Amino acid sequence: EPEVTQTPSHQVTQMGQEVILRCVPISNHLYFYWYRQILGQKVEFLVSFYNNEISEKSEIFDDQFSVERPDGSNFTLKIRSTKLEDSAMYFCASSPGLDTQYFGPGTRLTVL
Amino acid sequence: GESVGLHLPTLSVQEGDNSIINCAYSNSASDYFIWYKQESGKGPQFIIDIRSNMDKRQGQRVTVLLNKTVKHLSLQIAATQPGDSAVYFCAEIKDNQGGKLIFGQGTELSVKP
Repeated sequence: EPEVTQTPSHQVTQMGQEVILRCVPISNHLYFYWYRQILGQKVEFLVSFYNNEISEKSEIFDDQFSVERPDGSNFTLKIRSTKLEDSAMYFCASSPGLDTQYFGPGTRLTVL
Repeated sequence: GESVGLHLPTLSVQEGDNSIINCAYSNSASDYFIWYKQESGKGPQFIIDIRSNMDKRQGQRVTVLLNKTVKHLSLQIAATQPGDSAVYFCAEIKDNQGGKLIFGQGTELSVKP
């Protein structure tokens, strides 16, 4: 069964550093998403991406964040200058249409 | 505003019993609802979904009920098993919001053997 995959599983970085979180969505899906989950809290939407452009983003997704689909398979989330409060689990998801989204296992980002 | 919330943060059931997890939502314009299961250290796993034009949908051991009159969503798990222990989230989508899923807080289901 196809799955969304994410790398790395855990990323530790210093405050102010740039990080890139990587995702490989399910191959025939057209919509891609990033969510985050701060420890013990609910999952929060960051951004959705379709047809090589952002279709929706939340207020969390400020100028420090960017997404890219550099080739036909990868989908990345970049945080330019990490802050302590960026520490969270980051989940990538994909969907064939605007319906059920399938999530990856997540990347735990720890900002020191 | 938009919000999806859960009535109970924790639910403890005996193995073999049926479980009912509830969710209240405030956005009557939502088009689609999904239940996800999240085990510790893992991503949300799709369980079952329902469109706003439906009242009930059944899957394997799970049933989702949607009551649009009172904006209430429930997940019923039949013959609950220890492997069902997890946090359960309801989530909603509006069709014109680029697939943005709005998640509730989550209910932790604990199944006692």
